[in-house]
Amino acid sequence: DAGVIQSPRHEVTEMGQEVTLRCKPISGHNSLFWYRQTMMRGLELLIYFNNNVPIDDSGMPEDRFSAKMPNASFSTLKIQPSEPRDSAVYFCASTRTGFEQYFGPGTRLTVT
Amino acid sequence: GENVEQHPSTLSVQEGDSAVIKCTYSDSASNYFPWYKQELGKRPQLIIDIRSNVGEKKDQRIAVTLNKTAKHFSLHITETQPEDSAVYFCAASTQANNDMRFGAGTRLTVKP
Repeated sequence: DAGVIQSPRHEVTEMGQEVTLRCKPISGHNSLFWYRQTMMRGLELLIYFNNNVPIDDSGMPEDRFSAKMPNASFSTLKIQPSEPRDSAVYFCASTRTGFEQYFGPGTRLTVT
Repeated sequence: GENVEQHPSTLSVQEGDSAVIKCTYSDSASNYFPWYKQELGKRPQLIIDIRSNVGEKKDQRIAVTLNKTAKHFSLHITETQPEDSAVYFCAASTQANNDMRFGAGTRLTVKP
């Protein structure tokens, strides 16, 4: 099993640009989570999906953030327009049992 | 929603000593309490978890205790080693909702 796959691993962009982060969950997992990690705010749950349906997006900071899961093997997190304060590591995680979450390697986003 | 508080934020111990990290949670419906270890530049990885139907669980040098009445749980690491140095996160969730909330993290340093 390849584990949770995220791309890109690093992204540097200028303020105002659109950023799209991608995640492929572990095959057979039916829940997917997007987290943001910063020194100031720690590990924050942004949104999670059960069976491709968004369940709770209360952690999404602003309307500039959106997430989709068009099928069981792919999800995107989009930021448009990006701002310097969006700089963080974004993790995707998936689970099958509803308990242990498996994290991807993360995407380090830098917005200048 | 669930709120998880974690203490201390930093912890420094001598190799061979024990380390204890404590967390409290707010939602009495939470029934799953995992602990994750995150080494520098890497993803969080599950090290141990406990469900609400047990009070204690051990795995070699690590153990977790849960007090549902008081809504707190703790991580105990005995005979600490330098490779235990990392950031440790507690979390709480309900299986039904998958809405895992993380504590702010504890940076553990084990001095050789």
